[in-house]
Amino acid sequence: GIQVEQSPPDLILQEGANSTLRCNFSDSVNNLQWFHQNPWGQLINLFYIPSGTKQNGRLSATTVATERYSLLYISSSQTTDSGVYFCAVERLGGSEKLVFGKGTKLTVNP
Amino acid sequence: ETGVTQSPTHLIKTRGQQVTLRCSSQSGHNTVSWYQQALGQGPQFIFQYYREEENGRGNFPPRFSGLQFPNYSSELNVNALELDDSALYLCASSLDYGYEQYFGPGTRLTVT
Repeated sequence: GIQVEQSPPDLILQEGANSTLRCNFSDSVNNLQWFHQNPWGQLINLFYIPSGTKQNGRLSATTVATERYSLLYISSSQTTDSGVYFCAVERLGGSEKLVFGKGTKLTVNP
Repeated sequence: ETGVTQSPTHLIKTRGQQVTLRCSSQSGHNTVSWYQQALGQGPQFIFQYYREEENGRGNFPPRFSGLQFPNYSSELNVNALELDDSALYLCASSLDYGYEQYFGPGTRLTVT
């Protein structure tokens, strides 16, 4: 099946800093999503981005499908950005719908 | 527009028992997927239902089974519960298969 690797596994920032999270995947995909999981377990949709670039406030994402990676940028981080960020992909015609990486745990200190 | 809802929120069961978890999809969505998330891990795909038919299954044993109803709500059934089944169970719905998935708040199952 398709492999998804996220880096770094852990990231500690001071409030106001910028960060880049990376997601590498091993096959062509027709769906790529970024999520933020809050402390109660709720997965919050950040981006649906199988290719291209999108921006939403302080967050932006870029997926380079031909090179099989995606990046999530967080600018001017806030303590409320803390949590686990997951990348998940679906391969066209694959039996598994959304294969998740292991996540990046982000801690933003005041 | 109502989002994805799941019930119950928490559940405690004994090893060997059976459990049913429920999910109501977002309005207008015909596809429901179920995931298991163990502590400290990413969610793992269990299966997907599209218009009441199974449309993909992950590496889970047959004691994990499901249903989708004509209103597109869904159930996940787990028989002969094992301690390792303790996890957060997440349901997601999408407009159609292959589209963006939206997750419910999850059901936390503890097996003792």
